[in-house]
Amino acid sequence: IQMTQSPSSVSASVGDRVTITCRASQGISTSLAWYQQKPGKAPQLVIYAASSLQRGVPSRFSGSGSGTDFTLTISSLQPEDFATYYCQQTNSFPRTFGQGTKVEVK
Amino acid sequence: QEQLVESGGGVVQPGGSLRLSCAASGFAFSTYAMHWVRQAPGEGLAWVAVMSYDAINKVYADSVKGRFSISRDNSKNMLFLEMYSLTRDDTAVYYCARGPQGYDLWGRGTQVTVSS
Repeated sequence: IQMTQSPSSVSASVGDRVTITCRASQGISTSLAWYQQKPGKAPQLVIYAASSLQRGVPSRFSGSGSGTDFTLTISSLQPEDFATYYCQQTNSFPRTFGQGTKVEVK
Repeated sequence: QEQLVESGGGVVQPGGSLRLSCAASGFAFSTYAMHWVRQAPGEGLAWVAVMSYDAINKVYADSVKGRFSISRDNSKNMLFLEMYSLTRDDTAVYYCARGPQGYDLWGRGTQVTVSS
């Protein structure tokens, strides 16, 4: 299953609403996870099962979608949210990631 | 607290071998499937392999099938990745990760560099 994220990068300011999309090449129900990764660090789980917020993650993060189309939304971007975000399908093996979306300072 | 710590990375010549280890602590390791994920320099994340909680089932990415072998020792809370016939394309940071529905626990990673 191929995972395609868009955009590949987004320039935004603190307080902006940011939306990242992820499309699967075939239906995966709600078997989708989102990760945040900062330079030199391991990824951190943000959303699992398409819309469930990982414990400890701020509520400004939300996920939606099912089937082939998914979104990650940051409702009000904070300084610590500038990072690269990856989606991953957890429906079948091999597990596959999207290519990543870098959220940059505008 | 819950923790994963990888080790065993280093510089190896093309065609060489390496064995990575992942030490788990603070949780019931034997009840979780465990994964290896890698990230080449400047690139995105790539799933490598998974082993079931009971060490019976394993699956590999096509790019490593036949060259890498995943194993675990539940009595020692350890996960392993044996890598053979390494090529420059295997150069990456290798992470072990836990979780069926998204990886909720990651190690810090261990660097593998394949270079002559």
